[in-house]
Amino acid sequence: GAGVSQSPSNKVTEKGKDVELRCDPISGHTALYWYRQSLGQGLEFLIYFQGNSAPDKSGLPSDRFSAERTGGSVSTLTIQRTQQEDSAVYLCASSLQTGTGSETQYFGPGTRLLVL
Amino acid sequence: AQSVAQPEDQVNVAEGNPLTVKCTYSVSGNPYLFWYVQYPNRGLQFLLKYITGDNLVKGSYGFEAEFNKSQTSFHLKKPSALVSDSALYFCAVDYGGSQGNLIFGKGTKLSVKP
Repeated sequence: GAGVSQSPSNKVTEKGKDVELRCDPISGHTALYWYRQSLGQGLEFLIYFQGNSAPDKSGLPSDRFSAERTGGSVSTLTIQRTQQEDSAVYLCASSLQTGTGSETQYFGPGTRLLVL
Repeated sequence: AQSVAQPEDQVNVAEGNPLTVKCTYSVSGNPYLFWYVQYPNRGLQFLLKYITGDNLVKGSYGFEAEFNKSQTSFHLKKPSALVSDSALYFCAVDYGGSQGNLIFGKGTKLSVKP
């Protein structure tokens, strides 16, 4: 079946503008994650959605970052008033979720964001 | 705090030789351990995971990893490297907490030369 898809694949924006990044998880996956991959920094957890539960926002770096998940499927990550340090690859992943922590997360190709 | 360490930024191997990419972890409780591979300008691809049972886990593309509880390690191995194995490799741990997110190492760049 289809994997996780993300759009756009690349986004160039000017400092101070808002951007929206989209993630379509694998059908049937109830858990959805956003990560940020910065050059030389590895992967940083941002936010986690599980079913209809309130999202875990503990990884969001500032209040300029927000995310929502509509209908338990598609998710949008919004960055307001972008800064140059927001430049990174934003990765989305989804998984089944049994509560055991052993489910495999499947990643999308990422959105490469460049803030000028 | 939960953490994962990949002590080598880069590993260089000649094609046909065995390769090892190292990973150690620090978590409380029983860890679930994962290896992912990232090719240039691509997302992460799942290679293998350890949940419980046999300490030697076999995964995609001929890779395997050995869970060593006493050394808190989960090194990735392959008996014979291919040039096409050249990529960025990430070790990750999910300690089964309520968050469910993975904690990643910083990655190891594997370079296989012909």
